[in-house]
Amino acid sequence: NFMLTQPHSVSESPGKTVTISCTGSSGSIASNYVQWYQQRPGSAPTTVIYEDNQRPSGVPDRFSGSIDSSSNSASLTISGLKTEDEADYYCQSYDISNHRGVFGGGTKLTVL
Amino acid sequence: EVQLVESGGGLVQPGGSLRLSCAASGFTVSSNYMSWVRQAPGKGLEWVSVIYSGGNTYYADSVKGRFTISRDNSKNTLYLQMNSLRAEDTAVYYCARGYYDSSGWLDYWGQGTLVTVSS
Repeated sequence: NFMLTQPHSVSESPGKTVTISCTGSSGSIASNYVQWYQQRPGSAPTTVIYEDNQRPSGVPDRFSGSIDSSSNSASLTISGLKTEDEADYYCQSYDISNHRGVFGGGTKLTVL
Repeated sequence: EVQLVESGGGLVQPGGSLRLSCAASGFTVSSNYMSWVRQAPGKGLEWVSVIYSGGNTYYADSVKGRFTISRDNSKNTLYLQMNSLRAEDTAVYYCARGYYDSSGWLDYWGQGTLVTVSS
């Protein structure tokens, strides 16, 4: 089964840039779109990036997504970090060939 | 405005059953694919099930044969029938709308409903 692996946690200072990786276990991560969700404690997830690199309306351009086929990974980059960015971030994809959704384990971002 | 409101969670004994509902507004559930996603306390998100606009359904291996996803177009509501519940099914269950069938993006989520399986 296709799996996505994320670092458990990352931390960075306000104003800096942080990148969270999401590595596919097999096949090509580029075969299916990757989404990134932000989840604050006690709340439902909200989208910060969809279809690899698209931002929903209302998400600031400090958030960007990319795919690196050579490392079979996706990345979420947040620039100009703000304390309000502190949250859990999940990558997600959908294996259309097997009709299975998959989430990464989540990354806790600390902005200190 | 798109809204999803889950209900039906609660405390149930191991081996018991529960049916979750997800009332949709602002769109038609039969026009999009719909998914259930769960999150055990203190854990990450886990995809549970999907129903496509055409009606085909698919499940995570962890719930296959025990859970059934369905929808009632007249009520514009999504359901998750959960049977033979286990302690490891304890989680907040979210319903979510798919952007379109091959996208994979879950663009709207409900607030979640808590299911606790315990004796």
